[in-house]
Amino acid sequence: AQSVTQLDSQVPVFEEAPVELRCNYSSSVSVYLFWYVQYPNQGLQLLLKYLSGSTLVKGINGFEAEFNKSQTSFHLRKPSVHISDTAEYFCAVSRSGTASKLTFGTGTRLQVTL
Amino acid sequence: NAGVTQTPKFQVLKTGQSMTLQCAQDMNHEYMSWYRQDPGMGLRLIHYSVGAGITDQGEVPNGYNVSRSTTEDFPLRLLSAAPSQTSVYFCASRHRTSGGYNEQFFGPGTRLTVL
Repeated sequence: AQSVTQLDSQVPVFEEAPVELRCNYSSSVSVYLFWYVQYPNQGLQLLLKYLSGSTLVKGINGFEAEFNKSQTSFHLRKPSVHISDTAEYFCAVSRSGTASKLTFGTGTRLQVTL
Repeated sequence: NAGVTQTPKFQVLKTGQSMTLQCAQDMNHEYMSWYRQDPGMGLRLIHYSVGAGITDQGEVPNGYNVSRSTTEDFPLRLLSAAPSQTSVYFCASRHRTSGGYNEQFFGPGTRLTVL
């Protein structure tokens, strides 16, 4: 079975500052990794995904994440955040090679202020 | 395409009442699933279906029933609501393949309160 840990439940940051949201996973097999974003009162939207290949993955809205197999991490970064990035961010994992179920982390609330 | 739709958006129930949360998708996805979202717990899988007539339990199935009579619809039933079922419920769907990845699409959610 896979599991995901998002250590930071809330991350406050000023607009135009960089941000990193941390995600660590646990699995005995190869995995796919995902970041989803949930804006207030909306469903989840896929931000980016790692399936294979390059460990640096670029997603929508200027976000990127780096897959680090040795540290079992998949941290999300953005060099300069905007007010509109205020949302809940979820890291998720599934077993690779199959269309298997997603396991989600507990989420990180990114609060961007002026 | 409307994508994944859910009704109602909000619902308040009394303990012991029953109700059905509706979910529909128009993308001809074989795989559909229900999650509940609770503060500090992320999303947890309740039930899922890999095609019409086939359903299976997820991580937290107790208190919920599902059926899948058509490809498009995947209703979630609460037979006797309990306050512990107060949550936000999300339906999701994707194509089913024998290998590889297919993006999962989420509905807008149903916010349920059980008094």
